[in-house]
Amino acid sequence: QKEVEQDPGPLSVPEGAIVSLNCTYSNSAFQYFMWYRQYSRKGPELLMYTYSSGNKEDGRFTAQVDKSSKYISLFIRDSQPSDSATYLCASGGSYIPTFGRGTSLIVHP
Amino acid sequence: KAGVTQTPRYLIKTRGQQVTLSCSPISGHRSVSWYQQTPGQGLQFLFEYFSETQRNKGNFPGRFSGRQFSNSRSEMNVSTLELGDSALYLCASSAAGRETFSYNEQFFGPGTRLTVL
Repeated sequence: QKEVEQDPGPLSVPEGAIVSLNCTYSNSAFQYFMWYRQYSRKGPELLMYTYSSGNKEDGRFTAQVDKSSKYISLFIRDSQPSDSATYLCASGGSYIPTFGRGTSLIVHP
Repeated sequence: KAGVTQTPRYLIKTRGQQVTLSCSPISGHRSVSWYQQTPGQGLQFLFEYFSETQRNKGNFPGRFSGRQFSNSRSEMNVSTLELGDSALYLCASSAAGRETFSYNEQFFGPGTRLTVL
């Protein structure tokens, strides 16, 4: 079992929808939680970074971490076709991050 | 400011050969990490270098090695290639200091797509 589990999808939604992406992790020592977006033939791009529990909002994106249930979420409001990409969650302790396999998101016009 | 660059972008090798991949970090970044990305395993950490020293290492066999030069540029080498080494190899640079790994300042390059035949 991977330390970070993520449903690969694909997740297909209409433009304007609220998207919910989720991951679970198993290591209680993880303190850092990240979401990356990866377009085809590109490297991952950091979207959100959270230390410990709580919510963080940046524009249309909201990241949530619930350490009691070891659950990580990313919400995208007013989704756009340009949001179509693979979304990777990641978490880690002091140095080595562990990534989920990524969820493919398709936002259709 | 220029981003992380990786060369070559695409590479085809045969089993048993060795390969060297190159990464130039963002100017001023001293930490360089390498990752392997495959459809089956996702993104996996290989190793991290800081100021020419390997600081952290993932769970990969000794065929995977790397080094960092004084200008922070890094290379990774894979010897005795196997079919399962076919993957996208990503390099990421960070402004992390000596005592920290800056997750929120890690920038990825476009990757090198390695195909082993």
